[in-house]
Amino acid sequence: GAGVSQSPRYKVAKRGQDVALRCDPISGHVSLFWYQQALGQGPEFLTYFQNEAQLDKSGLPSDRFFAERPEGSVSTLKIQRTQQEDSAVYLCASSLAGSGRFLYEQYFGPGTRLTVT
Amino acid sequence: SQQGEEDPQALSIQEGENATMNCSYKTSINNLQWYRQNSGRGLVHLILIRSNEREKHSGRLRVTLDTSKKSSSLLITASRAADTASYFCAITNRDDKIIFGKGTRLHILP
Repeated sequence: GAGVSQSPRYKVAKRGQDVALRCDPISGHVSLFWYQQALGQGPEFLTYFQNEAQLDKSGLPSDRFFAERPEGSVSTLKIQRTQQEDSAVYLCASSLAGSGRFLYEQYFGPGTRLTVT
Repeated sequence: SQQGEEDPQALSIQEGENATMNCSYKTSINNLQWYRQNSGRGLVHLILIRSNEREKHSGRLRVTLDTSKKSSSLLITASRAADTASYFCAITNRDDKIIFGKGTRLHILP
């Protein structure tokens, strides 16, 4: 079956541009997570959705970052007025978990590598 | 920092040997997970161990957890070239926050 897919795989943006990163989770997965992974580091949690509800956005680094999942499936992470420090790989993951969001296996997509020049 | 800290940062071993990676953390946890990441790919979940468990096995993988020492280890037995990857531990703390370590880069030599 299809896993988690993300698009685009690579994105180069000039500083100040807006970008939108898409995540297609595994069909039927309730939970969806976004992470930011800087080069040589582990992923850092950004935000979490349970179906269409964004239950935790505590990891979003600034108000330039916005995520949505309007129909409880596909999600988009939007970064406005990109800065060089936004350069990273953005990972999306989904899981079957409803409650107990980190108690179950997360399935990760391949990530979108964002480079801000 | 509450994050898991893996050690060593990098490890090179001969194919067929066992590889051991360690993870230490500073806070109380609900569970601890190990993930593998191949270059340019997303993470693959390996094992989740809950705070009341001490050891879990999955194929050639063995994970131990010592909550008194706030540490975990991942053992890969009879390593193969395909095991070359970065390995991350991730803790879920009592506030239900997930925090990943910086990872151990494992290289299996032919």
